[in-house]
Amino acid sequence: DAEITQSPRHKITETGRQVTLACHQTWNHNNMFWYRQDLGHGLRLIHYSYGVQDTNKGEVSDGYSVSRSNTEDLPLTLESAASSQTSVYFCASSDGTGAADTQYFGPGTRLTVL
Amino acid sequence: AQKVTQAQTEISVVEKEDVTLDCVYETRDTTYYLFWYKQPPSGELVFLIRRNSFDEQNEISGRYSWNFQKSTSSFNFTITASQVVDSAVYFCALTSLGSGYALNFGKGTSLLVTP
Repeated sequence: DAEITQSPRHKITETGRQVTLACHQTWNHNNMFWYRQDLGHGLRLIHYSYGVQDTNKGEVSDGYSVSRSNTEDLPLTLESAASSQTSVYFCASSDGTGAADTQYFGPGTRLTVL
Repeated sequence: AQKVTQAQTEISVVEKEDVTLDCVYETRDTTYYLFWYKQPPSGELVFLIRRNSFDEQNEISGRYSWNFQKSTSSFNFTITASQVVDSAVYFCALTSLGSGYALNFGKGTSLLVTP
């Protein structure tokens, strides 16, 4: 079955280290999104992509970057991790052939920055 | 700017009670889409429903029903005869061309159903 996966599921890192969170989908979806979830804030958009070589900044993009070299993957990189980036990160994808296609979410990655 | 407000932070009901989760939205776009997602204690986000701004028909799916009213910019979600398995955080979300079709989420309503 087609699916969307994230790895690792849990990660502990230290302040200042570079961290990359992986997102892989097998639906062949054009659109991919990264969100972070924090208590009291719901989910907030970090970056998104409409296709290969396309990336766009979301509401809370500072300190994060993404690249889209193929359809299936959208890795999220924290250039220099900060304690404020401790959060649960969700990747999502949608078909992209129609407007506002439903986004389907991965299982999430819990990141702790010490 | 778009905004989704879920004023109820936490709701607690006893099993078999009906419960309504409120969602109020703001957008300048005339074409937009509304969603509800469920996040059970296990943490994943589960898609429940998608509704576009041109379709104000209410929808029923088993014990779940949704009431979309453009006049009040609301998209409320009702669970009939609640069950313990309905305990979760429920998120309402909005998207449109103005947001690049990314989702703008409300802060969620935590529903606890006790036996």
